[in-house]
Amino acid sequence: VQLVESGGGLVKPGGCLRISCAASGFTFSNAWMSWVRQTPGKGLEWVGRIQSKVAGGTVDYPAPVKGRFTISRDDSENTLYLQMDRLETEDTAVYYCTKDWEGGMDVWGKGTTVTVSS
Amino acid sequence: DVVMTQSPLSLTVTLGQPASISCRSSQSLVSSDGNTYFNWFHQRPGQSPRRLIYKVSTRASGVPDRFIGSGSGTDFTLKISRVEAEDVGVYYCMQGTHGYSFGQGTKLEIK
Repeated sequence: VQLVESGGGLVKPGGCLRISCAASGFTFSNAWMSWVRQTPGKGLEWVGRIQSKVAGGTVDYPAPVKGRFTISRDDSENTLYLQMDRLETEDTAVYYCTKDWEGGMDVWGKGTTVTVSS
Repeated sequence: DVVMTQSPLSLTVTLGQPASISCRSSQSLVSSDGNTYFNWFHQRPGQSPRRLIYKVSTRASGVPDRFIGSGSGTDFTLKISRVEAEDVGVYYCMQGTHGYSFGQGTKLEIK
C-alpha cells in the first residue's frame, strides 16, 4: 500500500497550484481519501476529504480552506488531486495524502512541500 | 468546530518507565452510529505520522501492546506501559466524528 505525492513547489501569494497523489496497493475507488497539511507553527491540519463514489462522493472542507481548495479524484488513474487557489502565506506547509478508514487516516504518503512566498 | 486539547505538550521519560498523554475534545465524540472515532498518531522526526490507535482503544496493525488507548465521550488517554527508545517523537490525538481535527501534539523525549 503506497501513496506518493507530487507537484509541490514555490508559488506567489494569490497564485494557484495543483498537487497530486498516486495510490497503489489497494482498491483506490473504494477508499475515502484526505489531504492533511503540517506547518511548524500549527501542527497537523486536515484540509479536506473525498468519499468514494459508491458512498456518494461527497467532499468536505474545513473553514480555513473552503472556497479556495478543491479535492477531486480520478479512479481510472488511481490518483487524488488538491487544487489550491488564492494561496496565502499561511498555506505554506507539507501536504500529505492519506487513505481514510474507521474515522481516521490509516495510510500516509511522505508529503510534498508547498511554499507560498513573494 | 471540535477543538482537541492535549496535555502535557512535552514529556521526558526514563527508558522502561510508563508514560501517559491526555486529550480532551470540546464536544462528545460519540457518533450517531454508536462508534467513537478517536485516534492516536505517532510521528518520528523526519517521518510521516503513523496511526497507533483507532476507535479509542483498537491498536493498528503492527502496533506493540505496550500502547494502550482508553477513554470515552470527551476525555481520552494514551498510555505507554514501558517506554522504549523508538517511542520518541510527537504524539497527536485526532477526532473523526465531526469532520477531522487534531490536537496540538505532545513531544516525547527520553531522559
